[in-house]
Amino acid sequence: NAGVTQTPKFRILKIGQSMTLQCTQDMNHNYMYWYRQDPGMGLKLIYYSVGAGITDKGEVPNGYNVSRSTTEDFPLRLELAAPSQTSVYFCASSHRDRSNQPQHFGDGTRLSIL
Amino acid sequence: SQKIEQNSEALNIQEGKTATLTCNYTNYSPAYLQWYRQDPGRGPVFLLLIRENEKEKRKERLKVTFDTTLKQSLFHITASQPADSATYLCAPENTGNQFYFGTGTSLTVIP
Repeated sequence: NAGVTQTPKFRILKIGQSMTLQCTQDMNHNYMYWYRQDPGMGLKLIYYSVGAGITDKGEVPNGYNVSRSTTEDFPLRLELAAPSQTSVYFCASSHRDRSNQPQHFGDGTRLSIL
Repeated sequence: SQKIEQNSEALNIQEGKTATLTCNYTNYSPAYLQWYRQDPGRGPVFLLLIRENEKEKRKERLKVTFDTTLKQSLFHITASQPADSATYLCAPENTGNQFYFGTGTSLTVIP
């Protein structure tokens, strides 16, 4: 019963490095999302996807890229890491229309940029 | 722009009492509102969804109300237990391409 799996759980990057945060779900959900959560702040939507091959920007997309080649996978790419991207990143998925379906979250990737 | 506010202070209550958490939203009219629980180091977990035409919804010891006139949802945990200690997030649905979460209320149930 895996649900939403995120890797890695922790990572420290140097300024200017790049990396990909992995997210995979085994529930055959068509909607997938990436959020970041900073201390004392709510979840901010970075990017989302309504199905394979379709992605769109959320509230805070700058500095990130995504792709959705399969239903299961939704990786998040940081090209030039900056200290402002230090955060906890959550991937989530939901079935069909996101507005009335619960989102299922992974346990997050804790990323520090030094 | 849309704004969501939850209890700004952490909430501490005695075991067995009822905890009441508040979620206020402004500048839009969601048709649905969801509540999630988040434990330290974990992702949020869905608890309840309430629709705009439902005044109240219950699930075991949980009760949610949705007042579209006041633009407010209340989340109640009755007969609270230490295991209920967590952060609770509200998420009013947005018909646009964004999905907004509140900042959360930290609840501690004291034995």
